[in-house]
Amino acid sequence: DAEITQSPRHKITETGRQVTLACHQTWNHNNMFWYRQDLGHGLRLIHYSYGVQDTNKGEVSDGYSVSRSNTEDLPLTLESAASSQTSVYFCASSPGTANTDTQYFGPGTRLTVL
Amino acid sequence: SQQGEEDPQALSIQEGENATMNCSYKTSINNLQWYRQNSGRGLVHLILIRSNEREKHSGRLRVTLDTSKKSSSLLITASRAADTASYFCATSTGAQKLVFGQGTRLTINP
Repeated sequence: DAEITQSPRHKITETGRQVTLACHQTWNHNNMFWYRQDLGHGLRLIHYSYGVQDTNKGEVSDGYSVSRSNTEDLPLTLESAASSQTSVYFCASSPGTANTDTQYFGPGTRLTVL
Repeated sequence: SQQGEEDPQALSIQEGENATMNCSYKTSINNLQWYRQNSGRGLVHLILIRSNEREKHSGRLRVTLDTSKKSSSLLITASRAADTASYFCATSTGAQKLVFGQGTRLTINP
């Protein structure tokens, strides 16, 4: 069955370290998204991609980067982790067709920055 | 900034009762979607209503949309313990992106 996976599921790192969170989908969806979820803020969009080699900044992109070298993967990199980036991160994908923009979410990665 | 704002932030009801959650938004939309999130899990799509629709049903779910008031409601009838979750509205302006509200935390008491 098609799915979207995230790894690792839990990560503890130290301030200043570079961290990469993986997202992999097997639906062959064009669109992929990264969100962070914090209490009191709901889901906030970090970066998104409409296809290979396409990346765009979202609402809270500072300190994060993404690259899209193939359809299946959109890794999220924290260049120099900060305590303010402690959060739960969700990856999502959608087909990218005109008729629907329903998104399918991964299980999330809980990141703690000490 | 968040497009959608949900009300109430938390709702606790008895099993078998109906649960109603509301979502207000600020700009014109292409469609509005509702998602459910169980504790520690990702969001799951429940239902989508387009801007030219006023009401939509799916099983025990009923969604209404009032574009003149920029608001939507999600009704869950005959609630069950398994409905305990957070519910989010998300608005689409047609650019393949969604903007999520902060969610309503629903607790169904047995």
